Amino acid sequence: AQKVTQAQTEISVVEKEDVTLDCVYETRDTTYYLFWYKQPPSGELVFLIRRNSFDEQNEISGRYSWNFQKSTSSFNFTITASQVVDSAVYFCARYSTQGGSEKLVFGKGTKLTVNP
Amino acid sequence: NAGVMQNPRHLVRRRGQEARLRCSPMKGHSHVYWYRQLPEEGLKFMVYLQKENIIDESGMPKERFSAEFPKEGPSILRIQQVVRGDSAAYFCASSPEDRGIGETQYFGPGTRLLVL
Repeated sequence: AQKVTQAQTEISVVEKEDVTLDCVYETRDTTYYLFWYKQPPSGELVFLIRRNSFDEQNEISGRYSWNFQKSTSSFNFTITASQVVDSAVYFCARYSTQGGSEKLVFGKGTKLTVNP
Repeated sequence: NAGVMQNPRHLVRRRGQEARLRCSPMKGHSHVYWYRQLPEEGLKFMVYLQKENIIDESGMPKERFSAEFPKEGPSILRIQQVVRGDSAAYFCASSPEDRGIGETQYFGPGTRLLVL
């Protein structure tokens, strides 16, 4: 199976530190899509970003930035100047059309705790 | 525009009972996906439906589980004769009717099923 690996199970930082969450994906597709979702303690899943394989430009949205590197099959997520409200589980996912269907394949998530 | 709605948010069942989980997609969305999140795990795809059609149920257990998305009304995930191992969070996601490949899936708040 073409996996998504988030090697960091848990990360703990102090407020205002920068933190990077790693995501490595496997795919045999030439065209593919990658996503990040946030799951705060309240439990819902919040969409953060969608990236297609054609666009290797890094993306910045406020304190969030994403580094897409096709050469290393990585799609890492950095939070700058972290805040307590950033505490959540973050999931990286890859869109899959395996078997003619459409589904998201998720990593196991990285639990980020930002301490005051 | 209301988001994806799921109810109930929490459901407690005793072993052997039936669980019915409901999902109303976002307005204008006709593609529905169900995912299961076991404790401390990422999300795993279960089933992909369009109106009145099951497109892919490869992730759904063959027995006791069924899903439907009727022409009118919400999508239903039904678990018969629940067992303790069914305890999990069940998330529904939807994507637009008129969409391209790799379209973003927007998630509901989930239903937390606890089997006693």
